[in-house]
Amino acid sequence: DAGVTQSPTHLIKTRGQQVTLRCSPKSGHDTVSWYQQALGQGPQFIFQYYEEEERQRGNFPDRFSGHQFPNYSSELNVNALLLGDSALYLCASSPGTDANTGELFFGEGSRLTVL
Amino acid sequence: QKEVEQNSGPLSVPEGAIASLNCTYSDRGSQSFFWYRQYSGKSPELIMFIYSNGDKEDGRFTAQLNKASQYVSLLIRDSQPSDSATYLCAASGGGADGLTFGKGTHLIIQP
Repeated sequence: DAGVTQSPTHLIKTRGQQVTLRCSPKSGHDTVSWYQQALGQGPQFIFQYYEEEERQRGNFPDRFSGHQFPNYSSELNVNALLLGDSALYLCASSPGTDANTGELFFGEGSRLTVL
Repeated sequence: QKEVEQNSGPLSVPEGAIASLNCTYSDRGSQSFFWYRQYSGKSPELIMFIYSNGDKEDGRFTAQLNKASQYVSLLIRDSQPSDSATYLCAASGGGADGLTFGKGTHLIIQP
């Protein structure tokens, strides 16, 4: 049973560039959430996708956008990268709308470095 | 602004002892509470969740919730060196609400 998979695992970008991160949820899960974890901090909620729509969004600017595909996989896009966007980006999946969405299964993350 | 506060530690506990981890939360509307364990360089892993006031036990782990005091705790009995990790406390308002995480407590179990 494949867990949550993310790609790429590491990447380096320069300020002003754009990045796309990808996530495949755990088998049987249809809800995908994205979190940003800066060094020494807890994860911060970016947004959640269900049925290809953004259901909830945290306190992140519009430079952060996402998409969910019919197969439940998801992408996180960040435009106009800033140095402060350097972090571990975590994708988490959970099953269904009625399930408690706090019971999350996390992928290993994509570590983004912005120079 | 929803906040979850944790002592960052490190909290050092001898092997075999009880480790006690605590957190407080600011949003009285929070309904569900979670403890995640994160090993260095790895992603968070769910250990326990609790919705109701009182205690919830699962093996060596006990989660405690006091909504009146807005306080959540995690007890780890018979601590093992493999329990050494950062423990993240998180709160949720339910539904599609994303989790609000604390900064985590770094726990060290000394052999």
